[in-house]
Amino acid sequence: QGQLVESGGGLVEPGGSLRLSCEVSGFSFSDHFMSWIRQAPGRGLEWVSYISNTGETIKYADSVEGRFTTSRDIPKNLLYLEMSSLRAEDTAVYFCARVSVARSLRGGLDVWGQGTTVTVSS
Amino acid sequence: EIVMTQSPATLSVAPGERATLSCRASQSVRSNLAWYQQKPGQAPRVLIHTASTRATGIPARFSGSGSGTEFTLTIDSLQSEDSAVYYCQQYNNWPPAWTFGQGTKVEIK
Repeated sequence: QGQLVESGGGLVEPGGSLRLSCEVSGFSFSDHFMSWIRQAPGRGLEWVSYISNTGETIKYADSVEGRFTTSRDIPKNLLYLEMSSLRAEDTAVYFCARVSVARSLRGGLDVWGQGTTVTVSS
Repeated sequence: EIVMTQSPATLSVAPGERATLSCRASQSVRSNLAWYQQKPGQAPRVLIHTASTRATGIPARFSGSGSGTEFTLTIDSLQSEDSAVYYCQQYNNWPPAWTFGQGTKVEIK
């Protein structure tokens, strides 16, 4: 089924930068679209970004467009989220997740990591 | 952006009874809709995709229906372990921005 493990979270000052990683194992990373989703404390889920299996197509939520960059290193089985110009409202648990149906956007998100916490505060 | 609206915000149901959760999209998402269950401190788990297809390993008491803008998640014979927050999510390809509903909290009476 596969496993995802996020890392890189931590405390950062407003305006700062952070890079999150998501290590993938147990499935063919190059076959699946991947996504980042976040959850602010006590709040619901918010979609952040998705990236196609080849890395050619990347989309972002309006709330992070121009500040966040998603990428993938297929040989290393790693997904990244580079975050800059961070704001207090970016404070959240960040999850990476796999799109279910290979080489498509269909089927929902069927494999999730445990999440990594990002806190933006001075 | 497609706005997903879930109702009710909280649902209290007795064990063995049925829970019916609703999700409405601000424009058609066809059948590109998933339902997730999230328990405290855990990552979400997909229950239903393509509006009505149960994900692998999901018990038959969970069912989804609807298309276009109106969707329903039904949980039959509610069990104590079904206490959780349930989210719908649209993954339509246009506009290219996914969105989640705000969630429905299911409590066991």
